[in-house]
Amino acid sequence: DTEVTQTPKHLVMGMTNKKSLKCEQHMGHRAMYWYKQKAKKPPELMFVYSYEKLSINESVPSRFSPECPNSSLLNLHLHALQPEDSALYLCASSQEGTSGSETQYFGPGTRLLVL
Amino acid sequence: QKEVEQNSGPLSVPEGAIASLNCTYSDRGSQSFFWYRQYSGKSPELIMFIYSNGDKEDGRFTAQLNKASQYVSLLIRDSQPSDSATYLCAVLYNTDKLIFGTGTRLQVFP
Repeated sequence: DTEVTQTPKHLVMGMTNKKSLKCEQHMGHRAMYWYKQKAKKPPELMFVYSYEKLSINESVPSRFSPECPNSSLLNLHLHALQPEDSALYLCASSQEGTSGSETQYFGPGTRLLVL
Repeated sequence: QKEVEQNSGPLSVPEGAIASLNCTYSDRGSQSFFWYRQYSGKSPELIMFIYSNGDKEDGRFTAQLNKASQYVSLLIRDSQPSDSATYLCAVLYNTDKLIFGTGTRLQVFP
């Protein structure tokens, strides 16, 4: 089973709202990721959590705040977003460590629209 | 700057033909390479990964890796209209940073 789940599927929010995106995996993976994907562009890495600790922040604005409550869950808290933040937000997970185990599996994504 | 390059296409092939998708990467030290398929409005779906030079086959798909030329390719045999999608080449850096190419849009016509 290589399932990563994400909620909600769609989200519309105003620029003053606070919302959260959720991601869950039960594959025992130790690394989890947030990506942002704009239309007709490839996914861009935002954050990496390894063993529940933030290991990579790709200079993402502070209006995006990641959280990893436990090894199966990953949240992305959103506050004071801009219309240009509208995109597909993808979560992924991987078992990391040894070569051959770094394959990242993606969830279905949350399509975010900021008005 | 680590880069992954793909021809954006569209690549149009008739049903039953072989589709050949190509990718080059800039970092000679890269060890792990992936092909994802993405249908419009959906998330990327893993097709294959390859770590060693040479060919790796899985059903109708064959990945080819040439580290000396910094080149990865994906062949799709007996292409079907359902294969029409964007194919993303991805290269892994430092075990956890995946860099994607811009993707090649494949169109398979009946």
